[in-house]
Amino acid sequence: QKEVEQDPGPLSVPEGAIVSLNCTYSNSAFQYFMWYRQYSRKGPELLMYTYSSGNKEDGRFTAQVDKSSKYISLFIRDSQPSDSATYLCAMTNMDSNYQLIWGAGTKLIIKP
Amino acid sequence: DTEVTQTPKHLVMGMTNKKSLKCEQHMGHRAMYWYKQKAKKPPELMFVYSYEKLSINESVPSRFSPECPNSSLLNLHLHALQPEDSALYLCASSPGPLAWPYNEQFFGPGTRLTVL
Repeated sequence: QKEVEQDPGPLSVPEGAIVSLNCTYSNSAFQYFMWYRQYSRKGPELLMYTYSSGNKEDGRFTAQVDKSSKYISLFIRDSQPSDSATYLCAMTNMDSNYQLIWGAGTKLIIKP
Repeated sequence: DTEVTQTPKHLVMGMTNKKSLKCEQHMGHRAMYWYKQKAKKPPELMFVYSYEKLSINESVPSRFSPECPNSSLLNLHLHALQPEDSALYLCASSPGPLAWPYNEQFFGPGTRLTVL
């Protein structure tokens, strides 16, 4: 079993829809949770960075962490074709020397 | 300057060539990283420099040789690579040294390497 599970997709939704992207993990010691967006043939771009449980909002993006369920989510409101990319979750803690443990990435396609 | 730059963007090399990848950041970050990313896979950590000292080497073959000449610059020297080494090579940096919490990693655009 992988430490971090993420459905690779692709996930295809119409423009304007609310998108929900998710990761589950097995290591309850993870404390820091990140979402990266990666466009084709580009480097990953950090979207959201949260510590422990709770919600964090930034514009159209909301990150949620549920440590009791070992489940994290990224919601995208009013999705745009420019949101089409691969979304990678990553997490870390002191035991891993704060190295990032990655999900496989979900390919998201927003149809105009 | 708030970005990580990488050169070249693309590189094609033969198995007997020697080449180098270059990464720069001018954000005063204390840790710098090399990752390898194959298609449809997440990045794989190769090396970490913290305060210009090699802190982590993830059992990478010796045909990859990292170098950190100063706090802003990171090189990856390549020699006698194999076709399976073809991938996107990503550099990243983070504000604190290794083993700092809440240490966001900022990635460069990558160098797409093809080994013939």
